[in-house]
Amino acid sequence: SAVISQKPSRDICQRGTSLTIQCQVDSQVTMMFWYRQQPGQSLTLIATANQGSEATYESGFVIDKFPISRPNLTFSTLTVSNMSPEDSSIYLCSVVGATYNEQFFGPGTRLTVL
Amino acid sequence: AQSVAQPEDQVNVAEGNPLTVKCTYSVSGNPYLFWYVQYPNRGLQFLLKYITGDNLVKGSYGFEAEFNKSQTSFHLKKPSALVSDSALYFCAVRDVGNNDMRFGAGTRLTVKP
Repeated sequence: SAVISQKPSRDICQRGTSLTIQCQVDSQVTMMFWYRQQPGQSLTLIATANQGSEATYESGFVIDKFPISRPNLTFSTLTVSNMSPEDSSIYLCSVVGATYNEQFFGPGTRLTVL
Repeated sequence: AQSVAQPEDQVNVAEGNPLTVKCTYSVSGNPYLFWYVQYPNRGLQFLLKYITGDNLVKGSYGFEAEFNKSQTSFHLKKPSALVSDSALYFCAVRDVGNNDMRFGAGTRLTVKP
């Protein structure tokens, strides 16, 4: 299995600012994803982080708001830009395992925007 | 595109009784199906998966799930519930050939002593 760490684990931010979340995996993985989860609710896929190219965003999510970097096969960042209280959520990094049949999740970053 | 539905947002059972958490799915091809559990203030933990083979899949903590292709269902079951099983359960599906996983809305399981 893949071990995933995220930084920060939580943050409280002011409206209009930006926060960059880091995701580090202990092994090289092909597929990395970013999800958002409202507390107690389901997960929504934000985008697929592509190594060496622009991320692939799901409907309702755009690069200007959620820029993503993936410089190598073990690391990715998600930035939440120009934050508003509606961005308060848990942001999860996820990777697909070597067998492609398992998907692992990081511990999440709990973001509160005031 | 694949999708998954969890028709119950809340399931309550008494400790020692069997439990079932329901999940139905929709995919264009063959599905990969998963169950995850999330305890309060914790990340998602993998419980079990169905890829191919036996329709009855056994996973962690005594849970099992039955894949039913005709009913497009993948219900999670446990013969005897524990209070510690109380958590949020998510069913997820990936269509073969797609890269991403889609999640159900989640079912909150409460096991009462």
